[in-house]
Amino acid sequence: GAVVSQHPSRVICKSGTSVKIECRSLDFQATTMFWYRQFPKQSLMLMATSNEGSKATYEQGVEKDKFLINHASLTLSTLTVTSAHPEDSSFYICSARESYNYGYTFGSGTRLTVV
Amino acid sequence: QKEVEQNSGPLSVPEGAIASLNCTYSDRGSQSFFWYRQYSGKSPELIMFIYSNGDKEDGRFTAQLNKASQYVSLLIRDSQPSDSATYLCAVTLSGGYQKVTFGTGTKLQVIP
Repeated sequence: GAVVSQHPSRVICKSGTSVKIECRSLDFQATTMFWYRQFPKQSLMLMATSNEGSKATYEQGVEKDKFLINHASLTLSTLTVTSAHPEDSSFYICSARESYNYGYTFGSGTRLTVV
Repeated sequence: QKEVEQNSGPLSVPEGAIASLNCTYSDRGSQSFFWYRQYSGKSPELIMFIYSNGDKEDGRFTAQLNKASQYVSLLIRDSQPSDSATYLCAVTLSGGYQKVTFGTGTKLQVIP
C-alpha cells in the first residue's frame, strides 16, 4: 500500500528559530499533500493543502507567512514553521492519497516542542 | 453544527463483543467517508473507506453508509484489547473533493 514518510519524528527547538518538516510519498506520486496539526486530546485540524508546482492553499486562520509550505516535486512537500513560539508546539502530520480508489495515508507525524 | 460529529466516548466493550461506532455529517454533498484508528501519540491509520450506500466489509471491520440519513458507522467484530484506540471518522466535503474533515473521534476501550 501507499507509504508516506515524515521526518523528523520529534524536534525540540528554541523560541524564535525555524523548523523544517519533510513529507515524502515513497511509492507513489502525490500532486497534492495535506498538512494537519493536532493538539492534545483534539482532532486533526487541516492547516493547508500543498500543491506540486504551485502555491499552497491555507485554511482560514492559518498564517501562511509563518507556516511555509513547499511542494517542489511529486514526492516531497515540506512545512517550515518560522519564528516558532511555544504555542506552536503540537503534533504535525502530513497525508497524501495514491489515487481516488485509495484512502488518505498519513505520515508518522512530527512532535514539535518549542522551548 | 459541526461538519462531522462523533460521540467522544469512551465506549467500553468486553473482549469478543461487537463495537459499534457512529458518525454523522452535515454536508449532503459529501462523497467519500473514512474511518481511521489512532493510538495515543501516533498518527492515524486508515481502516476503511466507503463511497456507496450500504455495507463494506474487510475482515473484522464493517463500514455502513446511509447518505439519506447522513450517517456512517463502523462495526468491529470480535473486539480485541489491541483495538483500544480513538477512532476518527473523516469525510471529504463537496466542492473541494480532496479536502478531508475529521470528527473529534470516539475512544474505544476493549476490556479483557
